[in-house]
Amino acid sequence: EDQVTQSPEALRLQEGESSSLNCSYTVSGLRGLFWYRQDPGKGPEFLFTLYSAGEEKEKERLKATLTKKESFLHITAPKPEDSATYLCALDSNYQLIWGAGTKLIIKP
Amino acid sequence: DGGITQSPKYLFRKEGQNVTLSCEQNLNHDAMYWYRQDPGQGLRLIYYSQIVNDFQKGDIAEGYSVSREKKESFPLTVTSAQKNPTAFYLCASSKGQGYGYTFGSGTRLTVV
Repeated sequence: EDQVTQSPEALRLQEGESSSLNCSYTVSGLRGLFWYRQDPGKGPEFLFTLYSAGEEKEKERLKATLTKKESFLHITAPKPEDSATYLCALDSNYQLIWGAGTKLIIKP
Repeated sequence: DGGITQSPKYLFRKEGQNVTLSCEQNLNHDAMYWYRQDPGQGLRLIYYSQIVNDFQKGDIAEGYSVSREKKESFPLTVTSAQKNPTAFYLCASSKGQGYGYTFGSGTRLTVV
């Protein structure tokens, strides 16, 4: 059975303190792993798609990487506006399987 | 600009009432989805449709119904059979397998 597990559930950082969020997965055939950002009371916003192990994508302070078993969302020198819930999802049989998310709080 | 529009943003339902949540997209996407999100929990799939006039149940379809008469529209009805409907409802669309989803801004439904 395809599965996605995100850790940690919540992460509090000081502004400028770099860290990583984890998304572990099991899948019979990878067709895409997705990262989204969700602000309170809003719909998720697409960040990245990764399709094969070794692939990396970057956007501003965020960088997503992929291995055969997990994906990391690295955040470098975060700012308070990076505070949000980050969701990971796996493409499986015509629908996405979602992780529970990591709530990231960046304190000024 | 293309996107997905959900309405209303807030909805209040009395006990025993059916209510319908609207979802319209102008992205020319074939697939559309309805999710429910409860506080502190992940997204749970209610229904999805890969093509007009066809839809499938997701993990928590009981107490909900949908229709897909037009490519652009995928309304969700929350029936009186749904015993705990208070939640944040999200609609999404996609070009198809391997592509990400585009989400609407959500409807917050509260039972009063």
